[in-house]
Amino acid sequence: EAEVAQSPRYKITEKSQAVAFWCDPISGHATLYWYRQILGQGPELLVQFQDESVVDDSQLPKDRFSAERLKGVDSTLKIQPAELGDSAMYLCASIKGENTEAFFGQGTRLTVV
Amino acid sequence: LAKTTQPISMDSYEGQEVNITCSHNNIATNDYITWYQQFPSQGPRFIIQGYKTKVTNEVASLFIPADRKSSTLSLPRVSLSDTAVYYCLVGDWTTDSWGKLQFGAGTQVVVTP
Repeated sequence: EAEVAQSPRYKITEKSQAVAFWCDPISGHATLYWYRQILGQGPELLVQFQDESVVDDSQLPKDRFSAERLKGVDSTLKIQPAELGDSAMYLCASIKGENTEAFFGQGTRLTVV
Repeated sequence: LAKTTQPISMDSYEGQEVNITCSHNNIATNDYITWYQQFPSQGPRFIIQGYKTKVTNEVASLFIPADRKSSTLSLPRVSLSDTAVYYCLVGDWTTDSWGKLQFGAGTQVVVTP
């Protein structure tokens, strides 16, 4: 069964360092989402791509976060510099088409120390 | 986006039916109702989606009244493995609208022996 791949699964980084997460959606899925989930809360949408274009990044802290999906396939989310409050699970999801289910990856657990 | 309201938590015993109601008073004509399940340290997983009346699949049923201002997810004969957080999402994810896949706080369901 096709899956959304994310790496790394776990990342520990020091405050002020740069960190990057990678996501490879299911083949053929044009829409890709990045979420941040703090323990005990629901996933918070950070950025949404349609192919290679950003269609919504209103919740992305643009002073330190960036996201790209250059060829409309895999995507990278970067944080620079990381802060203690960035410790969370970062989830990637993709959707094939209209009103269909979203498939989520296993996530990257980030700990900033 | 239609705002959703659902109970914070629900407790149940094994073998019982669990019904989680979600309120979405401002649902739009083109909006679908979708439910996701999330286990700790995993990404959410699609359960069921509907537009009106009743939808049933192998794991759950979704009841939607005629006014569509609420919906009820029904989990028949729950087991310990159904302990999870359940999210109700309302939105129109058509290609033209590029709708946000926005999660709320969800309902923590705890199933005990």
